[in-house]
Amino acid sequence: DTEVTQTPKHLVMGMTNKKSLKCEQHMGHRAMYWYKQKAKKPPELMFVYSYEKLSINESVPSRFSPECPNSSLLNLHLHALQPEDSALYLCASSQGEAGTTLEQYFGPGTRLTVT
Amino acid sequence: AQSVTQPDIHITVSEGASLELRCNYSYGATPYLFWYVQSPGQGLQLLLKYFSGDTLVQGIKGFEAEFKRSQSSFNLRKPSVHWSDAAEYFCAVDLLNRDDKIIFGKGTRLHILP
Repeated sequence: DTEVTQTPKHLVMGMTNKKSLKCEQHMGHRAMYWYKQKAKKPPELMFVYSYEKLSINESVPSRFSPECPNSSLLNLHLHALQPEDSALYLCASSQGEAGTTLEQYFGPGTRLTVT
Repeated sequence: AQSVTQPDIHITVSEGASLELRCNYSYGATPYLFWYVQSPGQGLQLLLKYFSGDTLVQGIKGFEAEFKRSQSSFNLRKPSVHWSDAAEYFCAVDLLNRDDKIIFGKGTRLHILP
């Protein structure tokens, strides 16, 4: 099973709202990722968790707050977003020896619209 | 600087025709190489990967890719495309610097003519 699930599929939120995106994988992968993707662009890396610890934060604004409650789950908490944050948010996971990426498996994404 | 180049932003082919999508990388050593496909509004699906060994790799959906070290290329091919192959295709590399990151090319949009 190479499935990564994401909820919700779609999310519309106002700039004062607080919401969370959820991601889950049961492949035993040790690395999990959040990407942001704008239309007609490649995914942009936001955060990487390795062994449940935040290993990469690509200078993402603090209105995005990641959380890794356990090895299978990854959350992205959203607060006070801006309209330009509207995008497809993708979760991914990968397996491998420590520090080796190997292939990433992606979820279907959450389409976020900020009004 | 290390980079991944997909020189074609859009490619249009007729259904049943052959396809080649180009990918070049700029890196001193041989990285791990991937091709992903993304249908509109969907996540990315791994088509195939190259780590080492045979330079011609087979993937899902009838795709294959050939690694050419001399040209720093990893081009994706399919002998006969189907209308359902219309999608965005991303080449990606892992630079093996143990930072859990892969670098994506800008993508190639494939259009299929009936």
